[in-house]
Amino acid sequence: GESVGLHLPTLSVQEGDNSIINCAYSNSASDYFIWYKQESGKGPQFIIDIRSNMDKRQGQRVTVLLNKTVKHLSLQIAATQPGDSAVYFCAENYGGATNKLIFGTGTLLAVQP
Amino acid sequence: ETGVTQSPTHLIKTRGQQVTLRCSSQSGHNTVSWYQQALGQGPQFIFQYYREEENGRGNFPPRFSGLQFPNYSSELNVNALELDDSALYLCASSLSQGLADTQYFGPGTRLTVL
Repeated sequence: GESVGLHLPTLSVQEGDNSIINCAYSNSASDYFIWYKQESGKGPQFIIDIRSNMDKRQGQRVTVLLNKTVKHLSLQIAATQPGDSAVYFCAENYGGATNKLIFGTGTLLAVQP
Repeated sequence: ETGVTQSPTHLIKTRGQQVTLRCSSQSGHNTVSWYQQALGQGPQFIFQYYREEENGRGNFPPRFSGLQFPNYSSELNVNALELDDSALYLCASSLSQGLADTQYFGPGTRLTVL
């Protein structure tokens, strides 16, 4: 079936450390991947995306890595801050006529001061 | 902020009733997608509207229906509400340009069915 799963449902890190959130996706035909951050009571907030013709993309304090061989995606957050505490979702897009996102269940990132 | 707005913020209905949720897309975006997010889960795709036409549908029954208006705002209608319809309903807008497009989400409408 369709699924985007996460290896770690909860990740606890110390402020200032680097965080790595992992994700496995199921459809080898997916060509676009997005990481979203969702804080309590809010909608998902776009963090960073990557297309299947790339294996790495960097933003401000965040890096996404894509390994198509093993269908794995990761989000790295440098110098994690308390404001980074949230649930993080990876989502895959199958492409085609419908811009449909398939989400996993999310990883809760808890940053300890 | 994404510029995507949703109303109402919260809603309480009873089983069997009907509900309409509204979404205004980000300026310049022509596509709206609706998602249902149950507590502790990731969002699930309901359907998408592109230029006022349904452009794909997830595994939701026909009692979930929608509309998109000429200004690209959208409505989600749910008939014969069931307890399991209790969830956060999210809309996301995007600008379709032929490739997979970034979707920007609104804050959601929290629906509780009693």
